[in-house]
Amino acid sequence: EDKVVQSPLSLVVHEGDTVTLNCSYEVTNFRSLLWYKQEKKAPTFLFMLTSSGIEKKSGRLSSILDKKELFSILNITATQTGDSAIYLCAVVTTNTGNQFYFGTGTSLTVIP
Amino acid sequence: KAGVTQTPRYLIKTRGQQVTLSCSPISGHRSVSWYQQTPGQGLQFLFEYFSETQRNKGNFPGRFSGRQFSNSRSEMNVSTLELGDSALYLCASSLAGQGIYEQYFGPGTRLTVT
Repeated sequence: EDKVVQSPLSLVVHEGDTVTLNCSYEVTNFRSLLWYKQEKKAPTFLFMLTSSGIEKKSGRLSSILDKKELFSILNITATQTGDSAIYLCAVVTTNTGNQFYFGTGTSLTVIP
Repeated sequence: KAGVTQTPRYLIKTRGQQVTLSCSPISGHRSVSWYQQTPGQGLQFLFEYFSETQRNKGNFPGRFSGRQFSNSRSEMNVSTLELGDSALYLCASSLAGQGIYEQYFGPGTRLTVT
C-alpha cells in the first residue's frame, strides 16, 4: 500500500528559529514529490521535486529530495509568524495518470 | 486568470440524503482531482478526471462518484450520506496530460452530515 508519512506531527518554535520538516514515502511508480502550505484555506503549492539531490529554494524556504532513501525535507530559516500553517507533502505516482498521495501534514506554529 | 472555484462553499445534509458538489477548474486545465480532508485522515484522494474520463480512483466506496463535462467542469456526488462523510471536499486542477504538473486547489466545500 502506498503511503506518505510526515514528521513531526506538530511543532512550536519562536520567531527566528530554523525548522526542518520531514516527509518519507513508500510508493510504487514514483514520479515527483510536492510540498504545500495550508493555512485556513486550500493548500498552496510550494515546491515540486523530481530529481535527487537538487535543492529547490524560494526565499527562506528550501527543499531537497533523496530518492534512494525515499524522503524529502523542507527547511524554513528565520521563521516568521506568517509561516504558521500546516505543511503537506504529496507524492505523485502514475499508472494511467497522476495520482497524489498526501501525508497528514506537519502543523507549524511560530510564536513571537 | 481565475482560480479554481467550488460551489457550494458550505452544505448541511442529513444522513441518507445525497449531495452534488461542483468544481470549475482554472481555464485551460483539463485534469480535475477530488479529495476528502478530515482532521483524522488528512487529505485523501477520491478520483481524478481527465477529458471527461475517470483516470484514477482512490479507496472510497461506490457511494462516491463523479463526472467531468466537456468544458472540464466536474461534479462529485455522494449518495446515502453517512455521518463520517462530514469533511472538507477539495478539488484541484492541473494541466495534466502525461507530464508532471502541480495542482491548484479550490477553496473547498465544507459538508456537514447530521
